[in-house]
Amino acid sequence: EPEVTQTPSHQVTQMGQEVILRCVPISNHLYFYWYRQILGQKVEFLVSFYNNEISEKSEIFDDQFSVERPDGSNFTLKIRSTKLEDSAMYFCASSWDPSGDTQYFGPGTRLTVL
Amino acid sequence: SQQGEEDPQALSIQEGENATMNCSYKTSINNLQWYRQNSGRGLVHLILIRSNEREKHSGRLRVTLDTSKKSSSLLITASRAADTASYFCATDEGSGYNKLIFGAGTRLAVHP
Repeated sequence: EPEVTQTPSHQVTQMGQEVILRCVPISNHLYFYWYRQILGQKVEFLVSFYNNEISEKSEIFDDQFSVERPDGSNFTLKIRSTKLEDSAMYFCASSWDPSGDTQYFGPGTRLTVL
Repeated sequence: SQQGEEDPQALSIQEGENATMNCSYKTSINNLQWYRQNSGRGLVHLILIRSNEREKHSGRLRVTLDTSKKSSSLLITASRAADTASYFCATDEGSGYNKLIFGAGTRLAVHP
């Protein structure tokens, strides 16, 4: 069964450093998402992406964040200058159709900012 | 309460018992999804119910949706220790790009 994959599974970085989280969505999906979950808290929407552009973003997704689909398979989330409060589990998700369709989530990348 | 709020926050039962979790939401929706998360792991999709559906089954799972009350329930029958996890409902806001709004989840513990 096709699945969303994410790398790395765990990333440790120093405050102020740039990190890139990588995702490979399900191959025939067209809509891509990033969510995050701070330890013990809700899963929060960050951004949705379709047709090579951002379709929606949350207040969390400020200028420090960016997304890219550099080729036909990868979908990346970049945090330019990490802060302590960026420590969280980051989930990538993809779907075929944005309305009425299941979003399939990857296993997540645990980001720890020291 | 916020969009997609579950109750109870925690539920502890014995194997073989049924577990019922509830979710309430505020806005109109296209669909509502239930996910499971084992501790510190990824989100596993369980079931999607559309706004024009009232009930859906998948194996030991039964989901109901009452759009007039803006609520949903997830029933797990004949629970197993392996069902121990957190369960989240997630709703869209009827928006075109279907960003999901998650509740805080119900932590289910099933004891052998």
